[in-house]
Amino acid sequence: NAGVTQTPKFQVLKTGQSMTLQCAQDMNHEYMSWYRQDPGMGLRLIHYSVGAGITDQGEVPNGYNVSRSTTEDFPLRLLSAAPSQTSVYFCASSWSANEKLFFGSGTQLSVL
Amino acid sequence: DAKTTQPPSMDCAEGRAANLPCNHSTISGNEYVYWYRQIHSQGPQYIIHGLKNNETNEMASLIITEDRKSSTLILPHATLRDTAVYYCIVRASSNTGKLIFGQGTTLQVKP
Repeated sequence: NAGVTQTPKFQVLKTGQSMTLQCAQDMNHEYMSWYRQDPGMGLRLIHYSVGAGITDQGEVPNGYNVSRSTTEDFPLRLLSAAPSQTSVYFCASSWSANEKLFFGSGTQLSVL
Repeated sequence: DAKTTQPPSMDCAEGRAANLPCNHSTISGNEYVYWYRQIHSQGPQYIIHGLKNNETNEMASLIITEDRKSSTLILPHATLRDTAVYYCIVRASSNTGKLIFGQGTTLQVKP
């Protein structure tokens, strides 16, 4: 099992550009989520999904879109990148919303 | 979800037990205590969780006081690879699956 795989590991964007952060898991987990981690702020929930076709907003959803067309994949889209979105992004998955989370290795994003 | 309080940093000698405390005095009856750790900017890693009984697994032990207002994570034989930020999280069952990560305790294991 590869677990939770995130790509890319590093990305630099210019303000206004769009991009998609990829997340895939091979554990047949129903629940998937995205967090961002900023210095001094801890990890904060952006969006989550309890199954294919179902997504919902977390604590800091503005500026981000998600979709869940398959159980395995949960991409995070930045429509128009802003410097405030410079952060480290972590994808996580679990069998359900109340089970332990498995995290990916993260994507470090810089928006100039 | 209840708020947790952890010391910002701790040191431990390699091979010794590391005891990481956590206060959660406002915990509710249906809230679990979870511990995760984050090694040098990697993704957080689940360690252990419990409701009111003490728990042990291959990584650690979790001791929860009888009144559930505090707990201690025990790494029985700390190694240099255990150097990390340890997060104590109190969490109720929910549909969001949200974890609230505080500042955690930075554990430095020294040779």
